[in-house]
Amino acid sequence: KAGVTQTPRYLIKTRGQQVTLSCSPISGHRSVSWYQQTPGQGLQFLFEYFSETQRNKGNFPGRFSGRQFSNSRSEMNVSTLELGDSALYLCASSYNRNEQFFGPGTRLTVL
Amino acid sequence: EDQVTQSPEALRLQEGESSSLNCSYTVSGLRGLFWYRQDPGKGPEFLFTLYSAGEEKEKERLKATLTKKESFLHITAPKPEDSATYLCAVQAEDKIIFGKGTRLHILP
Repeated sequence: KAGVTQTPRYLIKTRGQQVTLSCSPISGHRSVSWYQQTPGQGLQFLFEYFSETQRNKGNFPGRFSGRQFSNSRSEMNVSTLELGDSALYLCASSYNRNEQFFGPGTRLTVL
Repeated sequence: EDQVTQSPEALRLQEGESSSLNCSYTVSGLRGLFWYRQDPGKGPEFLFTLYSAGEEKEKERLKATLTKKESFLHITAPKPEDSATYLCAVQAEDKIIFGKGTRLHILP
């Protein structure tokens, strides 16, 4: 069974640009959650999508947005990038929200 | 305010030296507590889910327990391959809150 895949794995952008990250969940999983991980703040919840609908949202500014497609694949977009957005962005999929399976993450560096 | 605190931040043990990691939480409407293991450069790997006080789960050298205010991850006779960051997370109503983790290093 293939795991969660995230693309790209590494990304370098400059301030003010925007970025789109992609996540393909495990087959059969309809819930996809996104997290930001930094050394200082740890793992912070961004949002969760289930069957193409945003179900929960963390405490992040509106520059962070996401969507989910009918095949459960999800994308996350960050607009007007700031230096503080540099982080590891993790995607997790689950079947029943009891067990989350994480992808390897996308390492975003903002210069 | 909902909060998850893990201690210690870092722990160095000799191979075979058993110990426990702590996860204390203050949340309203606890729906579940999760333990994950994260290796450098990788995403977290699911270990356990606990739902109610008194519940225990085991997997190889790891055993997780839950009370009304905290959870413990007991590591028995650890090996160097158990070295990793261990993360605790709490699901409360409409959100999941992660602790900052305990970095565990097992010396051979």
